[in-house]
Amino acid sequence: DSQMTQSPSSLSASVGDRVTIACRASQNVNTQLNWYQQKSGKAPNLLIYGASSLQSDVPSRFSGSGSGTDFTLTISSLQPDDFATYYCQQSSSVPYTFGQGTRLEMK
Amino acid sequence: EVQLVESGGGLVQPGGSLRLSCTASGFTLSGNYMTWVRQAPGKGLEWVSLIYSGGSTYYADSVKGRFTISRDTSKNTLYLQMDDLRVEDTAVYYCARDKRYYSLWGQGTLVTVSS
Repeated sequence: DSQMTQSPSSLSASVGDRVTIACRASQNVNTQLNWYQQKSGKAPNLLIYGASSLQSDVPSRFSGSGSGTDFTLTISSLQPDDFATYYCQQSSSVPYTFGQGTRLEMK
Repeated sequence: EVQLVESGGGLVQPGGSLRLSCTASGFTLSGNYMTWVRQAPGKGLEWVSLIYSGGSTYYADSVKGRFTISRDTSKNTLYLQMDDLRVEDTAVYYCARDKRYYSLWGQGTLVTVSS
């Protein structure tokens, strides 16, 4: 199974900051890497699929990059609605494992 | 409206069984891959099971042999039969559409395994 490791586990930032979250896979997943945002008590929301494709209706301040084993999610200018938990997920091989999550908090 | 609605969660004793349902509206299950994902209280997301549009099924090692994913196309409903439940199966269970990435999720149903 491919293990997914996110860093950092938590992050404090301010509105307007540029934020980057990293995700590393234990084996090559090519570009089969997805990012989700989850707010407390809600289902996750797909942000990025295929490492860098922006899901429809997701603001353009979100972007993804990477291939192979190393990936990043970037929020170019943090907005109040962006404080949430973010998960990466590999969809290269079953089981389609998730990272442990990165909690983004307001500084 | 395109949506997924889960039901069937509740409190069950260790060793017991429960069947979760996920009813789809606005699209047909038969033409889609469907997935179950769970989230233990205060924890991260865990991929549980997948059913292909052709009927092939896949499971996480943690539930293999105890959980069964299936669907009833006449009812446009996805199921997760959970047997021999353990305390560590306590979680919110979500159904989601598609195979590799999930743009449509249900609201989740809570399963609590406790004596």
